[in-house]
Amino acid sequence: DVQMTQSPSNLAASPGESVSINCKASKSISKYLAWYQQKPGKANKLLIYSGSTLQSGTPSRFSGSGSGTDFTLTIRNLEPEDFGLYYCQQHNEYPYTFGAGTKLELK
Amino acid sequence: QIQLVQSGPELKKPGESVKISCKASGYTFTDYAMHWVKQAPGKGLKWMGWINTYTGKPTYADDFKGRFVFSLEASASTANLQISNLKNEDTATYFCARSGYNYVGVMDAWGQGASVTVSS
Repeated sequence: DVQMTQSPSNLAASPGESVSINCKASKSISKYLAWYQQKPGKANKLLIYSGSTLQSGTPSRFSGSGSGTDFTLTIRNLEPEDFGLYYCQQHNEYPYTFGAGTKLELK
Repeated sequence: QIQLVQSGPELKKPGESVKISCKASGYTFTDYAMHWVKQAPGKGLKWMGWINTYTGKPTYADDFKGRFVFSLEASASTANLQISNLKNEDTATYFCARSGYNYVGVMDAWGQGASVTVSS
């Protein structure tokens, strides 16, 4: 199975700042990485897939980059609604695997 | 709009069975596969497998072969997850999630989750 290692596990930032979350695959997954947001009481949301393609409705302050084994989610100009949990997931091969998550908290 | 509405919380004893439903609306049910994802308390997401909603063919991740069954009621736009011989470690929230149209491994819409608690 492809192991996905996310870092950092926790991140504290203030509205208006920019943050980056990293995701490393244990082997090459080409461009096939997705990012999801999880917030209490809300359905999980797909933000980005195929490394850098924004899902319809994802604000442009979100961006994804990377290929092969190393990927980054960047959120620019943080808004209050951006705080929550973020997961990466490889969608290159079975079984699809997720990172352990990054908790983005308000500083 | 696209909605996946899951059944309510369940409290079960070890050895019992549970069936979780996921009713889809806002799109043609058989055009998109359905994934199932497990989240144990305080833990991350784990992919359980998916079901082809056109053919009914399920695919299970290795850890979910045997006691777990994905099924459909296509006429009702509903996907189901049945877990038999429940164990304490099955305590979790179970999500259904619609696959992407061009990338089946992407999950572009999620249910709200169904909580299953297994306790004697």
